[in-house]
Amino acid sequence: DGGITQSPKYLFRKEGQNVTLSCEQNLNHDAMYWYRQDPGQGLRLIYYSQIVNDFQKGDIAEGYSVSREKKESFPLTVTSAQKNPTAFYLCASTHIPGPSNQPQHFGDGTRLSIL
Amino acid sequence: RKEVEQDPGPFNVPEGATVAFNCTYSNSASQSFFWYRQDCRKEPKLLMSVYSSGNEDGRFTAQLNRASQYISLLIRDSKLSDSATYLCVVKDNNDMRFGAGTRLTVKP
Repeated sequence: DGGITQSPKYLFRKEGQNVTLSCEQNLNHDAMYWYRQDPGQGLRLIYYSQIVNDFQKGDIAEGYSVSREKKESFPLTVTSAQKNPTAFYLCASTHIPGPSNQPQHFGDGTRLSIL
Repeated sequence: RKEVEQDPGPFNVPEGATVAFNCTYSNSASQSFFWYRQDCRKEPKLLMSVYSSGNEDGRFTAQLNRASQYISLLIRDSKLSDSATYLCVVKDNNDMRFGAGTRLTVKP
């Protein structure tokens, strides 16, 4: 079945450690996105990519890095510079270009906590 | 002012009730509008798009008022399985802006 796969489902980070969250999609979508969700808040955009080898910062990019070497994959690295990484991380994708009313589809998320 | 604002709730309603949520957005140039449903500790899932003329999908009706910059979701004949958080989403070009969600609990 086509979809977006995030791994791992749960991840624990030690102080000073970088961790990488995986996001893979087989929907042939051009654009991919990373969001962070904290309790009681809406999703906030970390990074997005509309084409291979190109990506843009979102609203809260500090302390994060991404790469887009393949269309299907958009991994997110949470670096040690991100001092409050505990959150629910969601990856999404969509076609571009497409009708303006095209929604995003989400993976099932990764919960990151600090040890 | 937040770009997308929703009443966080919670809305606690009995089975069979009709419940409505509103959402306001700040960017008058916003192009597309959606309602997503998010269950506890799960990813958001698209419930329905919102069209200018209003649209209905079974027990769910969505409305858009561009002049007042708000969208609404009406749920009729609430089921226990409707209990979730409902996210209002506004799309500007390819940027999706999410509300913090309205929590609904449907009780027997």
